[in-house]
Amino acid sequence: AQSVTQLDSQVPVFEEAPVELRCNYSSSVSVYLFWYVQYPNQGLQLLLKYLSGSTLVKGINGFEAEFNKSQTSFHLRKPSVHISDTAEYFCAVSETTDSWGKLQFGAGTQVVVTP
Amino acid sequence: NAGVTQTPKFQVLKTGQSMTLQCAQDMNHNSMYWYRQDPGMGLRLIYYSASEGTTDKGEVPNGYNVSRLNKREFSLRLESAAPSQTSVYFCASSENRGELLAIFYEQYFGPGTRLTVT
Repeated sequence: AQSVTQLDSQVPVFEEAPVELRCNYSSSVSVYLFWYVQYPNQGLQLLLKYLSGSTLVKGINGFEAEFNKSQTSFHLRKPSVHISDTAEYFCAVSETTDSWGKLQFGAGTQVVVTP
Repeated sequence: NAGVTQTPKFQVLKTGQSMTLQCAQDMNHNSMYWYRQDPGMGLRLIYYSASEGTTDKGEVPNGYNVSRLNKREFSLRLESAAPSQTSVYFCASSENRGELLAIFYEQYFGPGTRLTVT
């Protein structure tokens, strides 16, 4: 079984400042890794994914994440945030051996961007 | 092309009442999923359906039943609602066909149903 830990439940950040959201996972098998974003009163939208290959992955809206296998981490970063980045962000994993692609989510990190 | 739709958007139930949450997708996806979202716990899988007529339990199936009516629709039923089932429920779908080699298929989420049980 796998688990996902998001180390910060809330991250306040000023507009145009950088932000990093931390995610650690544990699994006995190899995993695919994802970050989803949930804007207020909406469903989840895929921000980026790591399946294989380069450990630095780029997603939509200027976000990127780096997969670190030795530290079992997949931290999300953005160099300069906008007010519109205010949302909840979820890290998720799926075991590569799971034919049905079931997702295990972290608890979420609420990002609040202020002017 | 509406993607994944869910009805109702909001619902208030009394303890012991029953209701069905509806989900439909128009992307011709094979797999569909029901999640619940609770503060501080992220999303947890309730049930999933790999194809029409097949359903399997996820992490938190107790107190729920599901029906995959056809390829488009996947409903979630609460037979006797309890306050612990107060949550936001999300439906998702993907092209996943359950191949032996797990290929990634993105899950697309609906807007959610906010359920309160008093």
